[in-house]
Amino acid sequence: EAEVAQSPRYKITEKSQAVAFWCDPISGHATLYWYRQILGQGPELLVQFQDESVVDDSQLPKDRFSAERLKGVDSTLKIQPAELGDSAMYLCASSYGSLTDTQYFGPGTRLTVL
Amino acid sequence: SQQGEEDPQALSIQEGENATMNCSYKTSINNLQWYRQNSGRGLVHLILIRSNEREKHSGRLRVTLDTSKKSSSLLITASRAADTASYFCATDYNQGGKLIFGQGTELSVKP
Repeated sequence: EAEVAQSPRYKITEKSQAVAFWCDPISGHATLYWYRQILGQGPELLVQFQDESVVDDSQLPKDRFSAERLKGVDSTLKIQPAELGDSAMYLCASSYGSLTDTQYFGPGTRLTVL
Repeated sequence: SQQGEEDPQALSIQEGENATMNCSYKTSINNLQWYRQNSGRGLVHLILIRSNEREKHSGRLRVTLDTSKKSSSLLITASRAADTASYFCATDYNQGGKLIFGQGTELSVKP
């Protein structure tokens, strides 16, 4: 069964350093999402791509976060510089078409900022 | 950001019992979805119910939706220890299809 791949699974970094997360969606899925999940809370959408275009990045802290999906397939989320409050689980999800379709989630990257 | 509220925040039951979780939301929706998350893992989609549907079943899961009360419930019948997880509702608030997740209910099923 096809799955969403994410790497790394765990990342420990010091504040002010740069970090990057990678996501490979299910083949054929046009829509890709990055979520942030703080411990004990539900996921919050950071950015949504339709193919290579950003559809929604209203909750992305653009002063330090950036996301790209250059060829409309895999995607990278970057934080520079990382802050203590960025410690969270970063989840990637994909869906075949629109947001009314089921979203399939990857295992996530657990980020700890020291 | 707007989020649904889930109730209870935590639920502990014995294997074989039924578990009911509730979700309330604030504005009109296209659909409401339920997801399960095992500790430290990604989310798994369980069921989607559209705004014009009132009840939906999938195996041991039953979801109801009351748009007049802006609420939904997830019932897991004959629970198993493997059902231990956090359960989240997520709504499409008609704002471009963006999904908004609730805070989740942490379910513990004891053998």
